[in-house]
Amino acid sequence: AQSVTQLGSHVSVSEGALVLLRCNYSSSVPPYLFWYVQYPNQGLQLLLKYTSAATLVKGINGFEAEFKKSETSFHLTKPSAHMRDAAEYFCAVSAYNNNDMRFGAGTRLTVKP
Amino acid sequence: DAGVTQSPTHLIKTRGQQVTLRCSPKSGHDTVSWYQQALGQGPQFIFQYYEEEERQRGNFPDRFSGHQFPNYSSELNVNALLLGDSALYLCASSRSPSGANVLTFGAGSRLTVL
Repeated sequence: AQSVTQLGSHVSVSEGALVLLRCNYSSSVPPYLFWYVQYPNQGLQLLLKYTSAATLVKGINGFEAEFKKSETSFHLTKPSAHMRDAAEYFCAVSAYNNNDMRFGAGTRLTVKP
Repeated sequence: DAGVTQSPTHLIKTRGQQVTLRCSPKSGHDTVSWYQQALGQGPQFIFQYYEEEERQRGNFPDRFSGHQFPNYSSELNVNALLLGDSALYLCASSRSPSGANVLTFGAGSRLTVL
């Protein structure tokens, strides 16, 4: 069964600083990997997805993630944080044959002015 | 184009009661998945419906049951409510259950059990 682990339940950065949110996956089959964002009192919105094409995936709002099979990682980055990036971020994994996604515990990003 | 719609948005129940939550998938989507998100945690997979059948199920007791209708809408039923069932229940839809297909989420139904 597939699963993901997000390292760090809270990350705080200054506005304009690099954002790095960590995610490691465990899967017995080639995985599909996703990052979602959740703003307060809202559902989850897709940021980006990896489906075995390019290993560097670009998403919305300036976010990107790199799939590293050797490290079983799929970390999310953004070069320069904005105040509006403050939210909860979830990494998720699904197998190639079924999208019953499994989510990590989430990382809360705080952006300081 | 309406996305995933869920009802009700908020509800309060007491222990032992039963609850039904409803979900209408995004237009063009035929697969519905349900998730439970407790406060401060990630969404936990409950089950997935496709072609009116439960295809996959997470680690949830039989008190949690569901249904999918011919128009692809879905219901989640929880019987004999416990305090621990208090959570945000998220419905997500997709265009078939293929692993590459992205889930589109609704805003959720927040259940409080007293």
